[in-house]
Amino acid sequence: SQTIHQWPATLVQPVGSPLSLECTVEGTSNPNLYWYRQAAGRGLQLLFYSVGIGQISSEVPQNLSASRPQDRQFILSSKKLLLSDSGFYLCAWSARGAGDQRAKNIQYFGAGTRLSVL
Amino acid sequence: KQEVTQIPAALSVPEGENLVLNCSFTDSAIYNLQWFRQDPGKGLTSLLLIQSSQREQTSGRLNASLDKSSGRSTLYIAASQPGDSATYLCAVRPGGATNKLIFGTGTLLAVQP
Repeated sequence: SQTIHQWPATLVQPVGSPLSLECTVEGTSNPNLYWYRQAAGRGLQLLFYSVGIGQISSEVPQNLSASRPQDRQFILSSKKLLLSDSGFYLCAWSARGAGDQRAKNIQYFGAGTRLSVL
Repeated sequence: KQEVTQIPAALSVPEGENLVLNCSFTDSAIYNLQWFRQDPGKGLTSLLLIQSSQREQTSGRLNASLDKSSGRSTLYIAASQPGDSATYLCAVRPGGATNKLIFGTGTLLAVQP
């Protein structure tokens, strides 16, 4: 079965410090990968998605970047955190390639990382 | 620009009651719509997915309907239980090749024992 891991679960960082959040998927290959942010009182917002190694699409301009160094690894980074980067960050995956259309449309989420920038 | 709205923002009901959560979207050109459940401080769990060509989907006590032309979806929960307490999110996938989702802000449901 497929599983998705995110770490750390919680993180407290000072303003101006760097950030690296990691997400890995097991049990599937060549997945679509996604990073979302859920800020207080706001809905989930898609930040980045990736359809393959080294292929990253950014949805909103921001202080963050994403990388996909391996097929099942997705990393969210920042060189200098801002207060506004605080939030709940969620990684998700969905299936690609031939097969059941319904299965390919479902996104599966990790447990999330709670980031507080102080 | 697609916008997704969920009403009510919060709902408290006694155990055993049937309830309806609402989701509306501004652009009817969607590929599909999903309902998710999020427990406090946790990730999301997919509950139901309705393709744009479908009118409803059912899973156990849950039934989701879709009226694409009017930009509405409802999630019906029958015989609610305290374990149903969570935030319920709806998300639409816009038409096009990209498999990205646009989420509503959710409905926080509390089922009182």
